[in-house]
Amino acid sequence: AQSVTQLDSQVPVFEEAPVELRCNYSSSVSVYLFWYVQYPNQGLQLLLKYLSGSTLVESINGFEAEFNKSQTSFHLRKPSVHISDTAEYFCAVSDSTGFQKLVFGTGTRLLVSP
Amino acid sequence: KAGVTQTPRYLIKTRGQQVTLSCSPISGHRSVSWYQQTPGQGLQFLFEYFSETQRNKGNFPGRFSGRQFSNSRSEMNVSTLELGDSALYLCASSDGLATETQYFGPGTRLLVL
Repeated sequence: AQSVTQLDSQVPVFEEAPVELRCNYSSSVSVYLFWYVQYPNQGLQLLLKYLSGSTLVESINGFEAEFNKSQTSFHLRKPSVHISDTAEYFCAVSDSTGFQKLVFGTGTRLLVSP
Repeated sequence: KAGVTQTPRYLIKTRGQQVTLSCSPISGHRSVSWYQQTPGQGLQFLFEYFSETQRNKGNFPGRFSGRQFSNSRSEMNVSTLELGDSALYLCASSDGLATETQYFGPGTRLLVL
């Protein structure tokens, strides 16, 4: 079985500041890793995912995450945040040997203020 | 392509009633997964259907059931509603492989009184 820990329930930052949202996972098998974002009253949207290969993955809107196998982490970073990045961010894993079942962390609410 | 649609968007029921939620996946997708989102438990996997067969199931009581039709549309049913079933129910569709992205609908918000 897999589990995901998001250490911070809420992260307040000022606009244009850098941010890191932390994610650690536990699994006895190989996993795929995902970051999803949820805006108020909306469903989840995929930000980025790690399947294999380069451990650094990037999204089209400036976020990046690095897979660290030894530390079982997949932290999400952005060098300069915007007001519009205010949302809830979920880290998730799926079993790479199986089918579609995402195990989510509890989420981190990113609050960007001017 | 049109996104994942879920109906209804909002629903109010009373304890003991049953409810059916509907999910229409992205055209061409054969996998539909259902998740429950609550403030206390977060996002939890309910079940996944692929080509009309339940392929995976989470740890929910038998009151929660689902099905998938030949056009890949899916329904989930909750019988004998309890207050704790109040949640946002999300469905997601994909091609079905673990490497494929799951695309989520806007959810159905269920309130049980």
